[in-house]
Amino acid sequence: DAGVIQSPRHEVTEMGQEVTLRCKPISGHDYLFWYRQTMMRGLELLIYFNNNVPIDDSGMPEDRFSAKMPNASFSTLKIQPSEPRDSAVYFCASSLWGDTGELFFGEGSRLTVL
Amino acid sequence: DAKTTQPNSMESNEEEPVHLPCNHSTISGTDYIHWYRQLPSQGPEYVIHGLTSNVNNRMASLAIAEDRKSSTLILHRATLRDAAVYYCILLSGNTPLVFGKGTRLSVIA
Repeated sequence: DAGVIQSPRHEVTEMGQEVTLRCKPISGHDYLFWYRQTMMRGLELLIYFNNNVPIDDSGMPEDRFSAKMPNASFSTLKIQPSEPRDSAVYFCASSLWGDTGELFFGEGSRLTVL
Repeated sequence: DAKTTQPNSMESNEEEPVHLPCNHSTISGTDYIHWYRQLPSQGPEYVIHGLTSNVNNRMASLAIAEDRKSSTLILHRATLRDAAVYYCILLSGNTPLVFGKGTRLSVIA
């Protein structure tokens, strides 16, 4: 299996621009998670989906952030408009929930907002 | 959420065993103890998990105290590739992983 695939790996943009991060989960997994990592705040859960339905988006920092999962093999995290404080590494993870609850993470998308 | 407490950092010599402690005094009966690690510039990866009994896998061993208020992740022979941040997380039911600050392990050649 190819694992969780994220794109782009690196994104540099200017303040005010729209940013779209993409994630392809592992085939057959029914949970998808978006996390953000910064030096100051560590790894934060932003939102997670079960069977393409958002379950908990309480970690989404502001209305500028939105996430969608139109089908079982694709999810996007969008920031519009972006701000310098959004600079972070964004991780997508997927899992097939069971007693293990093992999450498989992608390699992350490093976002820099100038 | 049940919380865990880990040392901020630890150091080990290469090829020696490493014992990474985790305190979770408020653990509930349904909480599983999970360990993840994050290598530099990578996403976190699963290491091991357990409920009550000690567990072994190819990566590590997990020793769980009888009262379950603490646990220890054991790397039997640390290598340079084991330098990472190690996270101890309690997980119950269909709740997502919530990461703390973890323990940064340095391995000295």
